[in-house]
Amino acid sequence: ETGVTQTPRHLVMGMTNKKSLKCEQHLGHNAMYWYKQSAKKPLELMFVYSLEERVENNSVPSRFSPECPNSSHLFLHLHTLQPEDSALYLCASSQDRASGGQETQYFGPGTRLLVL
Amino acid sequence: QKEVEQDPGPLSVPEGAIVSLNCTYSNSAFQYFMWYRQYSRKGPELLMYTYSSGNKEDGRFTAQVDKSSKYISLFIRDSQPSDSATYLCAMPHSSRRALTFGSGTRLQVQP
Repeated sequence: ETGVTQTPRHLVMGMTNKKSLKCEQHLGHNAMYWYKQSAKKPLELMFVYSLEERVENNSVPSRFSPECPNSSHLFLHLHTLQPEDSALYLCASSQDRASGGQETQYFGPGTRLLVL
Repeated sequence: QKEVEQDPGPLSVPEGAIVSLNCTYSNSAFQYFMWYRQYSRKGPELLMYTYSSGNKEDGRFTAQVDKSSKYISLFIRDSQPSDSATYLCAMPHSSRRALTFGSGTRLQVQP
């Protein structure tokens, strides 16, 4: 496997279900991100992890819960979602620089989520 | 006012046309600029990035930055049907650990 992989690619869930999205990066990066992409809207940043610590939570509802067990893996746990949460969820990774800047972000293919 | 504005299109052109895609931004803290291409049902992939004002060329693609006007462009020469995708401009903020994206312009190149 190369680059950034995401599973599952498609997910349909009811509002009472619990599911998890998985992301794995094979690029040796130290930062990982979750973005939400809805139709006709810009990509919305959800969470940022750098060196396995959450460094940004962009006012995301608590029904989304991220987990970063190591620098290569990132999860997004989903619980009691709403239909308006249906979207493409994209994972990305990058190499954070010690100076605080960052290098290019590389994206996975996304998980297309439908909440019924 | 949004930090990054991008016309969503769709933009439809015939094969071989020159395509111009544009973004404007309001935050002068943005120091470098990226263009991502996103095919249907795929994640965005980096196409080009540039740090400074002026032009940067890569094959059929040219990225142009005008920092005085806070305006960036991506030109595609001799456009091909395989260029049909959504093009997103993105800018890493100097103090924020994320990219700020435009909403994307959907391009359709007709054979």
